[in-house]
Amino acid sequence: RKEVEQDPGPFNVPEGATVAFNCTYSNSASQSFFWYRQDCRKEPKLLMSVYSSGNEDGRFTAQLNRASQYISLLIRDSKLSDSATYLCVVNEGRDDKIIFGKGTRLHILP
Amino acid sequence: DVKVTQSSRYLVKRTGEKVFLECVQDMDHENMFWYRQDPGLGLRLIYFSYDVKMKEKGDIPEGYSVSREKKERFSLILESASTNQTSMYLCASSSTGFIGYTFGSGTRLTVV
Repeated sequence: RKEVEQDPGPFNVPEGATVAFNCTYSNSASQSFFWYRQDCRKEPKLLMSVYSSGNEDGRFTAQLNRASQYISLLIRDSKLSDSATYLCVVNEGRDDKIIFGKGTRLHILP
Repeated sequence: DVKVTQSSRYLVKRTGEKVFLECVQDMDHENMFWYRQDPGLGLRLIYFSYDVKMKEKGDIPEGYSVSREKKERFSLILESASTNQTSMYLCASSSTGFIGYTFGSGTRLTVV
């Protein structure tokens, strides 16, 4: 079983729509979780951390479901500029072992 | 604005050359990392370092070595470049007690 798994997409979504995608992780002892955004031919950049109580930042909401071992990212009122690849990142806690998902590609259509 | 700086955005090297990729961070971070990123394979950890003169192998260290003589600088060395090392190389740093990476802008290396 893969350690961190994401639907690669692409998700093609009209501008203004709401889109959500999940990331599953295999290690139940994982301690912290993050979403990164990566634009084409650019480096990944931290989008938001994912807290047990959920986390909202403007149009973006991240949630953690420990029982089912997944995190989610919800984007409301999507903009053309949201087009990117979204990487799920899990800190397994053992010596800060960081696992990256392979990313979900999102295309916002005008 | 805090930064991780990689010395080159694009490099073209010949097979068999020794290649140095440099990374410098100005955040006084203890931890530094080298990844490569390939389509369909995602980010793969090559080497990392938790302190000056310390280094640890990641998931794919073969064909690479690293050097960390100063806290702010972490170098990746390709001892004898091969075509299968053509990739995007990303350096990252983080503080102790991981709360997220800061990545450099990447070096796109082509080995011909």
